[in-house]
Amino acid sequence: AQSVTQLGSHVSVSEGALVLLRCNYSSSVPPYLFWYVQYPNQGLQLLLKYTSAATLVKGINGFEAEFKKSETSFHLTKPSAHMSDAAEYFCAVYNQGGKLIFGQGTELSVKP
Amino acid sequence: ETGVTQSPTHLIKTRGQQVTLRCSSQSGHNTVSWYQQALGQGPQFIFQYYREEENGRGNFPPRFSGLQFPNYSSELNVNALELDDSALYLCASSLDSERGGREFFGPGTRLTVL
Repeated sequence: AQSVTQLGSHVSVSEGALVLLRCNYSSSVPPYLFWYVQYPNQGLQLLLKYTSAATLVKGINGFEAEFKKSETSFHLTKPSAHMSDAAEYFCAVYNQGGKLIFGQGTELSVKP
Repeated sequence: ETGVTQSPTHLIKTRGQQVTLRCSSQSGHNTVSWYQQALGQGPQFIFQYYREEENGRGNFPPRFSGLQFPNYSSELNVNALELDDSALYLCASSLDSERGGREFFGPGTRLTVL
C-alpha cells in the first residue's frame, strides 16, 4: 500500500534561509508524488507534482522537490524563505486506486 | 472560470444529528472527491464520485454518504454525528477521474460537533 511520512511536524526557519521539508514514501509501484500547501482557513493548493518524468520538479513560489528512488524520498526545498511561505505543507501520493494519500503535514514558520 | 466552492463555511451540530455539506465543482470538472481533515492531521480520503457514480471509498463508515448531481455539484451527508466527526471537510474536483494532481480543492467546511 502506498503511504507517505513527513519528518517533523513543525519546522522553523529565518527569513532568507533555506527551507527543507522532508517526505519519504512507500509504494509498490512507481509513485505519483505531490506537495500541497495550506494557508490558514483555506483549502489545499498544489505546489508541484512528480509523475515519473524529470526527477527534479519545479513548482510555484520558488519551491522544488527532488525524487530520489534510492532513498524513497521527495523532499521539498526553497533556497530563500519568505514570510509569506508560512503555512502547512502536505506531501501526498496516489494509491493504486488513484486516490490521494496525505502525510500528517509540516507546519512551516518563518521568523523575521 | 469559477473555482471550487463549498457551503457552509462553518457549521455547529450536536451529537446524533445529521449534516449535509455542499460542493460546487470547478467549471468543466466531472469528478469530485471528499476529504476529512481532523485538527493537526492530513486530509483523509472519504469517497469519490465520477459522473454521478461512487468511484472509490476510503475507510469511513456507511453513515458517511454522498451524491453527485447532473451538474456535477456534490453533497456529503453524515448521519448520527459523533464528536470525532469534528473536522474540516474538503472537496476537490477534477476532470475524468484522472491521476496526475489535477484536483482543485475548495476552501472547506469546518464542522464542529458538540
